[in-house]
Amino acid sequence: AQSVTQLGSHVSVSEGALVLLRCNYSSSVPPYLFWYVQYPNQGLQLLLKYTTGATLVKGINGFEAEFKKSETSFHLTKPSAHMSDAAEYFCAVSGSGGGYNKLIFGAGTRLAVHP
Amino acid sequence: DVKVTQSSRYLVKRTGEKVFLECVQDMDHENMFWYRQDPGLGLRLIYFSYDVKMKEKGDIPEGYSVSREKKERFSLILESASTNQTSMYLCASSLSGALNQPQHFGDGTRLSIL
Repeated sequence: AQSVTQLGSHVSVSEGALVLLRCNYSSSVPPYLFWYVQYPNQGLQLLLKYTTGATLVKGINGFEAEFKKSETSFHLTKPSAHMSDAAEYFCAVSGSGGGYNKLIFGAGTRLAVHP
Repeated sequence: DVKVTQSSRYLVKRTGEKVFLECVQDMDHENMFWYRQDPGLGLRLIYFSYDVKMKEKGDIPEGYSVSREKKERFSLILESASTNQTSMYLCASSLSGALNQPQHFGDGTRLSIL
């Protein structure tokens, strides 16, 4: 069965500092991996996805993530945090939904950015 | 851009009521999904549909049913609402069931059962 673990339910950084949100997955099949962001009182917005090919994936708003098969990780980074990055971030995996793109989500990491 | 619209942002109902949550997408997507979101648990799949009138149970289908009479519309039904169904409900759609297809989400319905 597939699963996703996000290390740290809350992360706090200073404006301008590096953002690192951790995601580890478990999958018996080649995974497809996604990061979503949720701003207050809104739905989830796709940040980036890894399907095949290049292991370093660039997304919107300056975020990127690197797929590391040997570490079963897909950590999300941004070189310089902005106040507008404060939100909840979800890592998700798909790949074994019986032929359908069912997603398994991590529990989420809430990012706080302080001045 | 894909637009997934959920009919209500906030809803308050009473225990035992039959509750309907509606979701419409405007991009002719094949697949549609219903999740509930609870703090610390992430999103959990209730039901999904891969075609009109076709549905599959997700991880937590108990107490829920769904209806997809038209391709663009996917309804979640709480047959007899209970307080433990108080939650945020999110609808999503995807172009197809291909595993690399992302899901596109609505803004959610925050449902309170009193």
